[in-house]
Amino acid sequence: ILNVEQSPQSLHVQEGDSTNFTCSFPSSNFYALHWYRWETAKSPEALFVMTLNGDEKKKGRISATLNTKEGYSYLYIKGSQPEDSATYLCAPRMGYGNNRLAFGKGNQVVVIP
Amino acid sequence: DGGITQSPKYLFRKEGQNVTLSCEQNLNHDAMYWYRQDPGQGLRLIYYSQIVNDFQKGDIAEGYSVSREKKESFPLTVTSAQKNPTAFYLCASSIPGITEAFFGQGTRLTVV
Repeated sequence: ILNVEQSPQSLHVQEGDSTNFTCSFPSSNFYALHWYRWETAKSPEALFVMTLNGDEKKKGRISATLNTKEGYSYLYIKGSQPEDSATYLCAPRMGYGNNRLAFGKGNQVVVIP
Repeated sequence: DGGITQSPKYLFRKEGQNVTLSCEQNLNHDAMYWYRQDPGQGLRLIYYSQIVNDFQKGDIAEGYSVSREKKESFPLTVTSAQKNPTAFYLCASSIPGITEAFFGQGTRLTVV
């Protein structure tokens, strides 16, 4: 079983505040890292797929960074809005060509209006 | 419209019965996945398939079986050996490689 840690598991954020959370994974044999957003009553949707150390990706107010040498990724939400309330899931892929996609437990975010 | 279809949305079964959950995709994806979600557990990988006629166990495969006879279909059977089958089940598919996965709407299975 791949050890994927997401912290904090749950957080409440005041509307307008910025927040961030972490996905940690084994640094050896890294291939790619996926971030997904899972809103209640919907299916998970991809946010980012990242592969390069130092990579930074952005989608609206959400951005992510990747450190493959130390095995972590940060997800940032700038100026949180109620529609950002969701569970954010990360899934590292280990080993070139490996299609196994196993997720961490997620970061559950509740934005308080 | 291209996508992944899971049916039914809700499924009820009696304890001791096997039940098969359907997952069909028309995205022409080679890789397909089955996950289970329980409260506080996130998504746990049951089985995945990288190509037709091939599949591998995930982290919690015990009590489950799958087949991949067609590219479009990856049915999951929850057998009577699965001790806690009541859960929400999600199917996903992707193009092999570093591309994103696409998810179905899920099936909520309740075993009574």
